[in-house]
Amino acid sequence: GQNIDQPTEMTATEGAIVQINCTYQTSGFNGLFWYQQHAGEAPTFLSYNVLDGLEEKGRFSSFLSRSKGYSYLLLKELQMKDSASYLCAVTPTGGGNKLTFGTGTQLKVEL
Amino acid sequence: SQTIHQWPATLVQPVGSPLSLECTVEGTSNPNLYWYRQAAGRGLQLLFYSVGIGQISSEVPQNLSASRPQDRQFILSSKKLLLSDSGFYLCAWSGGEAGIYNEQFFGPGTRLTVL
Repeated sequence: GQNIDQPTEMTATEGAIVQINCTYQTSGFNGLFWYQQHAGEAPTFLSYNVLDGLEEKGRFSSFLSRSKGYSYLLLKELQMKDSASYLCAVTPTGGGNKLTFGTGTQLKVEL
Repeated sequence: SQTIHQWPATLVQPVGSPLSLECTVEGTSNPNLYWYRQAAGRGLQLLFYSVGIGQISSEVPQNLSASRPQDRQFILSSKKLLLSDSGFYLCAWSGGEAGIYNEQFFGPGTRLTVL
């Protein structure tokens, strides 16, 4: 079966750093994605990890440990526009390049 | 560049009425296509995916069906809508000749309310 866990909500201060964790248990593993979704909009791609380690892209970084079934998304220098839902998704092995999504973490950035 | 279109953007339908949502992709060939539903406050649930014309895989039993009559066209349908079909429907594509990693690109979505 597939199981992906993320915290439901987080609150952080503008200019600060926040880490959003994701743990997963899936039948096979072929990569982990992070997406950002603003209310009422479609998800947009943030990062992709298939090997262990840290991937950095501007203010956003994503880390993966395959042995622990664990990933985190790190957001630096938070801005008000970063208030959104952050979705962790895993591609299990098998055809179709399917994604299994967690329920998302709603991040609120405050002044 | 590649673009993905969905219509309509919003839809209000009575229980028992039929449904047809359309998704088209431009700028790539032979993409994988996906339909997701997102209920209020919940994650994305994969409903159907397609790796080619006429090839549809269903992920969960439900009141909906999907078809892919052309390479870059994906249609979500229902003969009789239920209240539980309300939600935000998202179409996505990946792969094809322009795919990057296994990333999926999402359309703008259709917000369906069944009354």
